[in-house]
Amino acid sequence: AQSVTQLGSHVSVSEGALVLLRCNYSSSVPPYLFWYVQYPNQGLQLLLKYTSAATLVKGINGFEAEFKKSETSFHLTKPSAHMSDAAEYFCAVGRTGNTPLVFGKGTRLSVIA
Amino acid sequence: SQTIHQWPATLVQPVGSPLSLECTVEGTSNPNLYWYRQAAGRGLQLLFYSVGIGQISSEVPQNLSASRPQDRQFILSSKKLLLSDSGFYLCAWRGGGGNYGYTFGSGTRLTVV
Repeated sequence: AQSVTQLGSHVSVSEGALVLLRCNYSSSVPPYLFWYVQYPNQGLQLLLKYTSAATLVKGINGFEAEFKKSETSFHLTKPSAHMSDAAEYFCAVGRTGNTPLVFGKGTRLSVIA
Repeated sequence: SQTIHQWPATLVQPVGSPLSLECTVEGTSNPNLYWYRQAAGRGLQLLFYSVGIGQISSEVPQNLSASRPQDRQFILSSKKLLLSDSGFYLCAWRGGGGNYGYTFGSGTRLTVV
């Protein structure tokens, strides 16, 4: 079975500081990994995905994530936080076929001016 | 291009009343369709998913049901709402294999009073 653990339900950073949101996964098969962002009262939007190509994945809004198989991690980073980055972020793991994605519980990012 | 429509955006219903939430996808065929619920502080809970017309998989036994009467239509229903059915309901679709992420609708905020 697949699972996702997001460390920290709430992360707070200063504007301009590094953003690091942690995601660890468990999967018995090579995984597909995703990061989504959700703004209040909206649906989720895909930030980036890893699908067994380059291990460093660049996404929208300046975010990137690195797949580290040895650490079973897929942490999301952004060099410099912006106020508009304040949102909830979800990590998800999937595999081939029709099996639904498994989502983490989410991390709420606050950005302090 | 593909789009997903979900309505209504907000809904306030009394306990014991019926529910019908509709989700439609445009610009694709034979999508995988999903219903999720977000309750406060509890992340994303997969409720139902469908890989084809009339094919429904239920992830959590509860007061809700789902139907897929047409290829690009997915309906979430209840005969009698409970207070615990309150939450933010999200529809999503995926085309292709497991390396494709989901595209989410804008969500329905349901408050059962």
